[in-house]
Amino acid sequence: GQQVMQIPQYQHVQEGEDFTTYCNSSTTLSNIQWYKQRPGGHPVFLIQLVKSGEVKKQKRLTFQFGEAKKNSSLHITATQTTDVGTYFCAGLDNYGQNFVFGPGTRLSVLP
Amino acid sequence: SQTIHQWPATLVQPVGSPLSLECTVEGTSNPNLYWYRQAAGRGLQLLFYSVGIGQISSEVPQNLSASRPQDRQFILSSKKLLLSDSGFYLCAANGLASAGELFFGEGSRLTVL
Repeated sequence: GQQVMQIPQYQHVQEGEDFTTYCNSSTTLSNIQWYKQRPGGHPVFLIQLVKSGEVKKQKRLTFQFGEAKKNSSLHITATQTTDVGTYFCAGLDNYGQNFVFGPGTRLSVLP
Repeated sequence: SQTIHQWPATLVQPVGSPLSLECTVEGTSNPNLYWYRQAAGRGLQLLFYSVGIGQISSEVPQNLSASRPQDRQFILSSKKLLLSDSGFYLCAANGLASAGELFFGEGSRLTVL
């Protein structure tokens, strides 16, 4: 079945450093979504990418969808302690009904 | 506004006891509904999804079952809990916004002893 992988599993950065998490799918995706889950909380939707090669920005966050629509990345510039949490990517499965989530990248930001 | 209510928020149950987690959605009609389980420090595992009343699809064989008795109500159940059922259970819905993203409830943290 379809698999979505993310690296790294964990990332510890000093406040002010940049952070990037990478998402790779075993199959071509129709779209990809990114979610953030704060410690003890529930996942919250960040953004959706649909087009091949698409790049979207939200303040210090930059999201990219690969040309082949099989990979994506999330880059945070100058991390802050409020960025702490686990970042998940999710792609629609081949039937277009279910979201297959990656295992997540847990980000720790040291003040 | 669209909201997802999930309860109970926390529960501790002995092995072999029954389980019922409830989820209700407000602010929309005919949403797709999902139950996910998240083990400590792990990703999200899809357990069940429903596209309509009485329509349940199971993603993995397990000790759990789901039901959708009303359009905006989704219930996760078990007749006899196992230790391995411990985890953080999340109800989610889509169809609430144009982007098709998932909205999650606050979650129910289950500990089976």
